[in-house]
Amino acid sequence: DQQVKQNSPSLSVQEGRISILNCDYTNSMFDYFLWYKKYPAEGPTFLISISSIKDKNEDGRFTVFLNKSAKHLSLHIVPSQPGDSAVYFCAASAYNQGGKLIFGQGTELSVKP
Amino acid sequence: EPEVTQTPSHQVTQMGQEVILRCVPISNHLYFYWYRQILGQKVEFLVSFYNNEISEKSEIFDDQFSVERPDGSNFTLKIRSTKLEDSAMYFCASRTDISSGANVLTFGAGSRLTVL
Repeated sequence: DQQVKQNSPSLSVQEGRISILNCDYTNSMFDYFLWYKKYPAEGPTFLISISSIKDKNEDGRFTVFLNKSAKHLSLHIVPSQPGDSAVYFCAASAYNQGGKLIFGQGTELSVKP
Repeated sequence: EPEVTQTPSHQVTQMGQEVILRCVPISNHLYFYWYRQILGQKVEFLVSFYNNEISEKSEIFDDQFSVERPDGSNFTLKIRSTKLEDSAMYFCASRTDISSGANVLTFGAGSRLTVL
């Protein structure tokens, strides 16, 4: 039951360039989407989110885009920095599901100096 | 910044033994969750807890698992008789109020469980 999918297990980007991480979902009841960042041996840390009533949310170097018709969201990091190297998880929730988050498989981002 | 704390950070146990993982959620949070991540796999929902009772549980959360909030601050996950496949990183998470519209869960650093 893969309601949230991140099809790229890894991504390598040069420092200063744009990183684009993608996420697809199947459940049309999802109304809130989040990106979490995870370093080894740590818990997921919230990065940025977007409500289904919006198509874009920006916070500094991080921007999340939502395409509801395609059931697709993406995280853009510009410019990428070596400290951004981590595993990025896309997550989704539906209001009628008690706040439970459904996670994707994660994409490991490596930003090379 | 308030944080969710989990103990122990790593526990090694023999198959069939009982394990209790402990969590102290953020103090004004009302909703509590346990998730797990088997090595190399996705973070999976186990159970949610609100108002001193389970609000939802996944298929993974079978009769071997239980949760409780014994003293108003700790939130525990008990595995009665551990199996090899229970080896994973277990994450506790909490959030304030789902009606706020900002469904951001704050996660702890995790407890690594190794079942031998």
